[in-house]
Amino acid sequence: AQSVTQPDIHITVSEGASLELRCNYSYGATPYLFWYVQSPGQGLQLLLKYFSGDTLVQGIKGFEAEFKRSQSSFNLRKPSVHWSDAAEYFCAVGSYNTDKLIFGTGTRLQVFP
Amino acid sequence: EPEVTQTPSHQVTQMGQEVILRCVPISNHLYFYWYRQILGQKVEFLVSFYNNEISEKSEIFDDQFSVERPDGSNFTLKIRSTKLEDSAMYFCASKGTAYGYTFGSGTRLTVV
Repeated sequence: AQSVTQPDIHITVSEGASLELRCNYSYGATPYLFWYVQSPGQGLQLLLKYFSGDTLVQGIKGFEAEFKRSQSSFNLRKPSVHWSDAAEYFCAVGSYNTDKLIFGTGTRLQVFP
Repeated sequence: EPEVTQTPSHQVTQMGQEVILRCVPISNHLYFYWYRQILGQKVEFLVSFYNNEISEKSEIFDDQFSVERPDGSNFTLKIRSTKLEDSAMYFCASKGTAYGYTFGSGTRLTVV
């Protein structure tokens, strides 16, 4: 079955520290992969996406993600976290042959000064 | 930057009532979607809409739900006879070419 797993429900980091949010997927077709961020009471903002090509993808707000087919992973990274990065982060997977995205359960990021 | 606009931002309704959630997608987009997020849970696909018809729907999207694009600019989700478990954040999204989804800021539906 198609699924997305975000193993970390809640992560706390200090401002300025590096960040890695994990995402693993199970998908029969060639996946398209996405990371979205949701601030409290807000909608879903696209951080970055992977369709094909270079497996290291750059996004907005200084985020990047690396697609590793052998590990079925698409982890999100940021070298130095800012307090404004505190939010919920969702990994999602889609494909060329379907019209829907499958989301993970999300990781809540808390940033301490 | 173009936005997907959803109204209202918060809707409270009594159980058994009908609600209509409204969305204005990005003007040159052709594909439209509704997703929902029950509090504390993941975002779930409900339905996709293209060329004035449903192209895909989930098992959640039963006869209680319907979608419509009544006037070429709005995209609506109607929930008939709401239940307590329909309480959720409902997100509209639209897509142009390739895989450029844009999500709205959501409507929080509370059924009491």
